[in-house]
Amino acid sequence: DADVTQTPRNRITKTGKRIMLECSQTKGHDRMYWYRQDPGLGLRLIYYSFDVKDINKGEISDGYSVSRQAQAKFSLSLESAIPNQTALYFCATSDSSQLAGTGRKLFFGSGTQLSVL
Amino acid sequence: AQSVTQLDSQVPVFEEAPVELRCNYSSSVSVYLFWYVQYPNQGLQLLLKYLSGSTLVKGINGFEAEFNKSQTSFHLRKPSVHISDTAEYFCAVSARTGANNLFFGTGTRLTVIP
Repeated sequence: DADVTQTPRNRITKTGKRIMLECSQTKGHDRMYWYRQDPGLGLRLIYYSFDVKDINKGEISDGYSVSRQAQAKFSLSLESAIPNQTALYFCATSDSSQLAGTGRKLFFGSGTQLSVL
Repeated sequence: AQSVTQLDSQVPVFEEAPVELRCNYSSSVSVYLFWYVQYPNQGLQLLLKYLSGSTLVKGINGFEAEFNKSQTSFHLRKPSVHISDTAEYFCAVSARTGANNLFFGTGTRLTVIP
């Protein structure tokens, strides 16, 4: 089984719908992240969480919300989806107990391809 | 904040030829530098990282990168590429202190031609 699991792998939805992307991890890491990937734009950070009670906005948080239900679970919600949120979404984890620098290493899930029509 | 520029969006190269993927970064503080690779239909995985010490860093699959502080660069190189190296490569930077999140470049798609 994968260490970082994202569900669903693919999702097609309509404008205005609420949608949730889920991420779970078995690595025991404390930090979790949501990124989106767009062609030509690379990866951009949406939200990150350093522990269950510590959630922070990233570069592009508008239109998104997150919930850290447990150390192992971090979900991303689009309250009212719009077409320009069509992208590949990645969840990632890292371990802050690692030595500085090494702790920056991210472990990624396989991604969720979201299409908003 | 930190930022990364990958000047080449696509790099085609023949099998067994050398390749260099360029990365320049911008930061007002000291940084850590990373290269990640994304194979088709997969998430990203770490290729190599520069934390401190020797400026020449060796990673997996025969890749290496050299940190050049004066030129604020961290170019990725491989002396002889294989078909299996076809993938997208991302350079990333993180501040050594503070929130220390990773900031990624826009990626370089390496295509190895048989």
